[in-house]
Amino acid sequence: ETGVTQSPTHLIKTRGQQVTLRCSSQSGHNTVSWYQQALGQGPQFIFQYYREEENGRGNFPPRFSGLQFPNYSSELNVNALELDDSALYLCASSPDIGSYNSPLHFGNGTRLTVT
Amino acid sequence: TQLLEQSPQFLSIQEGENLTVYCNSSSVFSSLQWYRQEPGEGPVLLVTVVTGGEVKKLKRLTFQFGDARKDSSLHITAAQPGDTGLYLCAGALGVYGGATNKLIFGTGTLLAVQP
Repeated sequence: ETGVTQSPTHLIKTRGQQVTLRCSSQSGHNTVSWYQQALGQGPQFIFQYYREEENGRGNFPPRFSGLQFPNYSSELNVNALELDDSALYLCASSPDIGSYNSPLHFGNGTRLTVT
Repeated sequence: TQLLEQSPQFLSIQEGENLTVYCNSSSVFSSLQWYRQEPGEGPVLLVTVVTGGEVKKLKRLTFQFGDARKDSSLHITAAQPGDTGLYLCAGALGVYGGATNKLIFGTGTLLAVQP
């Protein structure tokens, strides 16, 4: 069983640029969630995709956008990067959106540094 | 707004000692999960508690969900160096009758167990 994989692992961008982060969900999982984890803090929910549609969004501005593809892989796009966007971006997949028996499986994240 | 507060933020103890980590909120959660995260990796689920007052044991780890489903605790007995990591509690605030996929994470407790 292949776990959640994220790419790239590390990325350095300049303020104002745009970035795309990618996530391949675990086999059989149809739900993908994205979280931002700043240094020394817990992850913050960005948004979730279920069967290619956005299903909930956290307190993040519209310059954070996403996509989910028919194979349930996903992208997180961030436009007009700001210094505060520097963080670890985590992708998590799960097999079912509606059950507490459906735990999140996290990837190892993409470390984004904005200079 | 951070809905879940963890205490302590940092804990450094000697091998063999016992410890308790607390997770408190003013919100009621449909379920609560505990994760452990190691450097360079994503969080890994330890346990999910659902019922108020529920107690779950995982080897030397004991998890408790408060009666009102607003707080939780993690107790580790005879800590070992392998227990070192960032411990995160996460509450479920979702639709679909309590889906656990949209999680509010706590601030985290960084545990270091010295040999």
